[in-house]
Amino acid sequence: AAGVIQSPRHLIKEKRETATLKCYPIPRHDTVYWYQQGPGQDPQFLISFYEKMQSDKGSIPDRFSAQQFSDYHSELNMSSLELGDSALYFCASRVWGESYNSPLHFGNGTRLTVT
Amino acid sequence: DQQVKQNSPSLSVQEGRISILNCDYTNSMFDYFLWYKKYPAEGPTFLISISSIKDKNEDGRFTVFLNKSAKHLSLHIVPSQPGDSAVYFCAASGASGTYKYIFGTGTRLKVLA
Repeated sequence: AAGVIQSPRHLIKEKRETATLKCYPIPRHDTVYWYQQGPGQDPQFLISFYEKMQSDKGSIPDRFSAQQFSDYHSELNMSSLELGDSALYFCASRVWGESYNSPLHFGNGTRLTVT
Repeated sequence: DQQVKQNSPSLSVQEGRISILNCDYTNSMFDYFLWYKKYPAEGPTFLISISSIKDKNEDGRFTVFLNKSAKHLSLHIVPSQPGDSAVYFCAASGASGTYKYIFGTGTRLKVLA
């Protein structure tokens, strides 16, 4: 079965550069979530989208922005990168329409390293 | 403020025995709970979930128990297998006005052959 696809898998950037992470949800999934996981930490919710509209916002810095496109893929744009932005970034998708409660399905993440 | 807590960072269990992973939450508005397994360099994999209208859900070797009054849930794995060795996260969602899924800090399970 098709899973959530994230690209790139690894990304190395320097401080103050920008980065764009992409997420392709499971077909027919209408909701996308972004999480950031630092070393030894739990995944921290950043932002979510339902039907291309932002549905909720977590601890996302103002330097970051995200959007969901008409084909439901999502991009997380990160500017003025800082060393502390180095982390694993996960995207997850689910179907909202069928049930209020449904599990998130995660991609394998993008490991961002800021030097 | 950690709304979902897993107080045991690690757990070792002998192969064939039961593994019990625990999770506590503070927000009584949560109404949907999930368990995920995570291997290194992979994303979390969904295992099992439970709605707040139930107190038990079973799927093969995995059973999740929910005690709403104690704001506690647990994941039982029987029998444990070496391939179950991974980090397990519990998550909760449904708090009023939010669609976030809040994750616990994880428990590293090691199943010894």
